Amino acid sequence: NAGVTQTPKFRILKIGQSMTLQCTQDMNHNYMYWYRQDPGMGLKLIYYSVGAGITDKGEVPNGYNVSRSTTEDFPLRLELAAPSQTSVYFCASSGQVFGEQYFGPGTRLTVT
Amino acid sequence: DQQVKQNSPSLSVQEGRISILNCDYTNSMFDYFLWYKKYPAEGPTFLISISSIKDKNEDGRFTVFLNKSAKHLSLHIVPSQPGDSAVYFCAAKETSGSRLTFGEGTQLTVNP
Repeated sequence: NAGVTQTPKFRILKIGQSMTLQCTQDMNHNYMYWYRQDPGMGLKLIYYSVGAGITDKGEVPNGYNVSRSTTEDFPLRLELAAPSQTSVYFCASSGQVFGEQYFGPGTRLTVT
Repeated sequence: DQQVKQNSPSLSVQEGRISILNCDYTNSMFDYFLWYKKYPAEGPTFLISISSIKDKNEDGRFTVFLNKSAKHLSLHIVPSQPGDSAVYFCAAKETSGSRLTFGEGTQLTVNP
């Protein structure tokens, strides 16, 4: 049981490039989330999904897009990368509204 | 607007002593609170939670206290162990949603 997996672990992008951060969970959870963590800060919610085909914005959605075509996968797309998107990105899932969230190991992204 | 705040960025304690991590919140709609622990280069892992209908919840060496009138919660770790050294995040949610709001985190260091 792998839980929540994220790829890649590290990535360096040039300004203006785009990329997709992959997230997969094998726990059959309906709820999935994308967070970013900047140094010395808590986790900020970017986007979340309550089920396949349903997504909604979090606190900091600008510059990102998501899709949820299956229960398992919740990719995060960065278009036109900017230095302000340098951060560590965490994907998480939960099985119910009151359930705790399970996090992936994170993707460290640097935009230069 | 920081709705969940952890005012101490760091805390250092001796092995065997008590660690007390604090968290304040401003949103009176929050009614479920969680603590997560994070080691370097890993995703956060769930530690313990408490519902607003309780004022205390215990799990082994970890106890969370909730003071609703003061909008304050704390995590007690007794006795502290070197393996407890990590960043601890406080998080809160409303009954009506699945989204978590995180504090900035407190780096706990337990010295042998």
